[in-house]
Amino acid sequence: GAGVSQSPRYKVAKRGQDVALRCDPISGHVSLFWYQQALGQGPEFLTYFQNEAQLDKSGLPSDRFFAERPEGSVSTLKIQRTQQEDSAVYLCASSFLLAGGPEDTQYFGPGTRLTVL
Amino acid sequence: AQSVTQLGSHVSVSEGALVLLRCNYSSSVPPYLFWYVQYPNQGLQLLLKYTTGATLVKGINGFEAEFKKSETSFHLTKPSAHMSDAAEYFCAVSAGGGNNRLAFGKGNQVVVIP
Repeated sequence: GAGVSQSPRYKVAKRGQDVALRCDPISGHVSLFWYQQALGQGPEFLTYFQNEAQLDKSGLPSDRFFAERPEGSVSTLKIQRTQQEDSAVYLCASSFLLAGGPEDTQYFGPGTRLTVL
Repeated sequence: AQSVTQLGSHVSVSEGALVLLRCNYSSSVPPYLFWYVQYPNQGLQLLLKYTTGATLVKGINGFEAEFKKSETSFHLTKPSAHMSDAAEYFCAVSAGGGNNRLAFGKGNQVVVIP
């Protein structure tokens, strides 16, 4: 079956531009996560949705970062007034169950590589 | 809060030799532990996970890991390395409960020498 998809796969932005990154989770998955992976580092948690509700946004680095999932499926991560330190790979993951169960495996998309010039 | 430590960013192993990647965790609650593999330009793929029960966990591609609570460790092993094992490997921990956010280590880049 189809996995998690993300678009675009690559994005180049000039400093100060706004960008929008899209995540299509696996159909029927309740939970959706966004992570940021800087070069040479492990992914770091940004935010978490359960259906359309954003239950945890404690990892968002600044108020320039905004995420939404209005209908409980597709999610968009928006970064306003991009800066060079925003350059990273942004990973989306989804899981079937409500978060917390031992069988709650997160399935990751291929990521969007954002480069801010 | 949960965290993991992976030492040695680059690991070189000869084809056919043992693969050993070390992971130590810190968690205030009983942890769920994961190993993921990442191939170039691809997303993370789950190798194996420990939640409860048997402490020796077997995963895909011949990998296994053992949860040792006394050592707060979850090291990943494979008896015989294959060229296709060249990739980046990440250990991760979550607390479960109401939010399964993963905390990742910095990763190990595995190079397999023919």
